[in-house]
Amino acid sequence: EPEVTQTPSHQVTQMGQEVILRCVPISNHLYFYWYRQILGQKVEFLVSFYNNEISEKSEIFDDQFSVERPDGSNFTLKIRSTKLEDSAMYFCASSEAGLGFTDTQYFGPGTRLTVL
Amino acid sequence: DAKTTQPPSMDCAEGRAANLPCNHSTISGNEYVYWYRQIHSQGPQYIIHGLKNNETNEMASLIITEDRKSSTLILPHATLRDTAVYYCIVSLNNDMRFGAGTRLTVKP
Repeated sequence: EPEVTQTPSHQVTQMGQEVILRCVPISNHLYFYWYRQILGQKVEFLVSFYNNEISEKSEIFDDQFSVERPDGSNFTLKIRSTKLEDSAMYFCASSEAGLGFTDTQYFGPGTRLTVL
Repeated sequence: DAKTTQPPSMDCAEGRAANLPCNHSTISGNEYVYWYRQIHSQGPQYIIHGLKNNETNEMASLIITEDRKSSTLILPHATLRDTAVYYCIVSLNNDMRFGAGTRLTVKP
């Protein structure tokens, strides 16, 4: 069964450093998403992406964040200058359809980001 | 913010049916009801979704009231591996907003 994969599973970085979290969505999916979950809190939407453009973003997704689909398979989330409060689980998701449709999102296993 | 209300926690005996309620009184006509679950800190796992009719798949059944203001997720024979946080989400245009969910504990 196809699944979303994410690497690395755990990333430790120093405050102020740049990190790139990687995701490989399900191959025939066209819409991609990033969510985060701070320990003990809710899963929060960050951004959705389609056709090489951001479709929607939340207020959390500020100028420190960017997303990219550098090739035909990967979808990345970059945090330019990490802060302590960026420590969280980051989940990637993908769906066949997206905004304008309702379609099931499938989530990856997550990357645990720890900022020291 | 989430448009649903769920009890914060529930217990269920192993082998019994787990019935998880969800209120979504402000749901609009074309919004779907989705259920996901999250085991420990793993990624949310899709369970089932529906619009108006009741739905069943290999994991669960979804019962939606006629006025669509509430729904119930049914796990027919809960196992210890079903212990997780269950999220009920009302979604349009793939706008998934997670609430706090219900922490279901299946006990031997």
